[in-house]
Amino acid sequence: DIQMTQSPSSLSASVGDRVTITCRASQSISHYLNWYQHKPGKAPNLLIFAASTLQRGVPSRFSGSRSGTDFTLTISSLQPEDFATYFCQQNYNSPWTFGQGTNVEIK
Amino acid sequence: QVQLQQWGAGPLKPSETLSLTCAVNGESFSGYFWSWLRQPPGKGMEWIGEINHDGITNYNPSLKSRVTTSVDTTRKRFSLRLSDVTAADTAVYYCARRGIVPANYFFDYWGQGPLVTVSS
Repeated sequence: DIQMTQSPSSLSASVGDRVTITCRASQSISHYLNWYQHKPGKAPNLLIFAASTLQRGVPSRFSGSRSGTDFTLTISSLQPEDFATYFCQQNYNSPWTFGQGTNVEIK
Repeated sequence: QVQLQQWGAGPLKPSETLSLTCAVNGESFSGYFWSWLRQPPGKGMEWIGEINHDGITNYNPSLKSRVTTSVDTTRKRFSLRLSDVTAADTAVYYCARRGIVPANYFFDYWGQGPLVTVSS
């Protein structure tokens, strides 16, 4: 199975901050990496697919990038509604696997 | 707009069988894989398995021996059965839609996810 190592596990930030979350794959997965936002008691929400393509309706302050097997989710200016858990997922090979998640908290 | 509505029995006792169903509203049932995932308390998301409208299945090897999925295309529903549950199967269980071409292998619609508890 492809292991996805996500960091940090949690972070505290203020509204307006730039936030960066990283996922590293245990092997090459090309650009087959997706990012999700998850709020308590709600269904996860797809933010970015194929490493850097924004899902329809997702604000442009969210962006994704790739460098080899390292993937980054960036929130350019954190908004109050962005406090949530974010996780990555590889769709290169089954079984589809996920990062452990990053909890973004209010500082 | 696609909506996934899921339901199932709980709580469960060890050795019982978990059973969940997910109904798809709003779009075609064919052309996708319909997946099951779970998230144990305090842990990451785990993919369980999936089925398409033709009944083709794909399971996580770690759970394959205990998992069965089925599909009812007339009612646009799909179901999960996980046998011989233990406390380690306590989790929030989600149904979700996945595309069938590599570029669309992401999960773009999810159910709300009930917490299923296994306890003696």
